[in-house]
Amino acid sequence: AQSVTQLGSHVSVSEGALVLLRCNYSSSVPPYLFWYVQYPNQGLQLLLKYTSAATLVKGINGFEAEFKKSETSFHLTKPSAHMSDAAEYFCAVSRNFGNEKLTFGTGTRLTIIP
Amino acid sequence: DSGVTQTPKHLITATGQRVTLRCSPRSGDLSVYWYQQSLDQGLQFLIHYYNGEERAKGNILERFSAQQFPDLHSELNLSSLELGDSALYFCASSVAHTGELFFGEGSRLTVL
Repeated sequence: AQSVTQLGSHVSVSEGALVLLRCNYSSSVPPYLFWYVQYPNQGLQLLLKYTSAATLVKGINGFEAEFKKSETSFHLTKPSAHMSDAAEYFCAVSRNFGNEKLTFGTGTRLTIIP
Repeated sequence: DSGVTQTPKHLITATGQRVTLRCSPRSGDLSVYWYQQSLDQGLQFLIHYYNGEERAKGNILERFSAQQFPDLHSELNLSSLELGDSALYFCASSVAHTGELFFGEGSRLTVL
C-alpha cells in the first residue's frame, strides 16, 4: 500500500524567505505524487503532479517539487514566500496514473510572517 | 471556482439522525470521489463512482452509503449519526487519466 508522510504539521516562514514543505512516500511501485493546497474555507486545489516525465516539476503560484527516488522524497519548495501562500498543503500519492484514488498525507499548515 | 458544487454547505443535526449530502461534478466529469476530513483522521477516501458504477471503496462505514445517478450527480447518505461523524465531507470529480481531482468546497456536518 502506498502512503505519504509529511514532516511538520506547522511551518512558519518570513515573507520573502524560502518555503520548504517535506513529503516522503512509501510505495512498492513507482508512485504518482501530487501536492494540493487548501485555503481557508475552500476545497483542495492541485498545485503540481509528478508522473515520471521529469523529476523536477513546476506548479502554479511559483511552487515546484523534486522527485528523489533515492530519498523517497517529493518536497515542495518556493524561493520567496508571499502572504497569499498561507494555507494548508497536502502531499498525496496514487498507485496508477488515471486512478485518482489518492492517499493524502496529514497536511502542513504554512504560516507567513510579515 | 472548481466547478464542483456541494450542498448543503453546513448541516447541524442530532445523533441517530440521517442526512444526505449532494454533489454535482464538473460538466463532463464521469468520476466522483467522496472524502471525509476531520481533525483526528485527516483526509480519508470514502468511495469512488465512475459513470454510475462503484469503482472503489475506502474507509467508509456501513452506516454510510453513496450512489451516482444517471445525470452524474452523487449523493452520500449518512445514517445513525454519531458525534464522531462530525467532519467536513468533500466531493471531487475528475477527467480520467489526468491525475487531477477537482474538489468542491465541502459540506460541514456537525452532529450534536
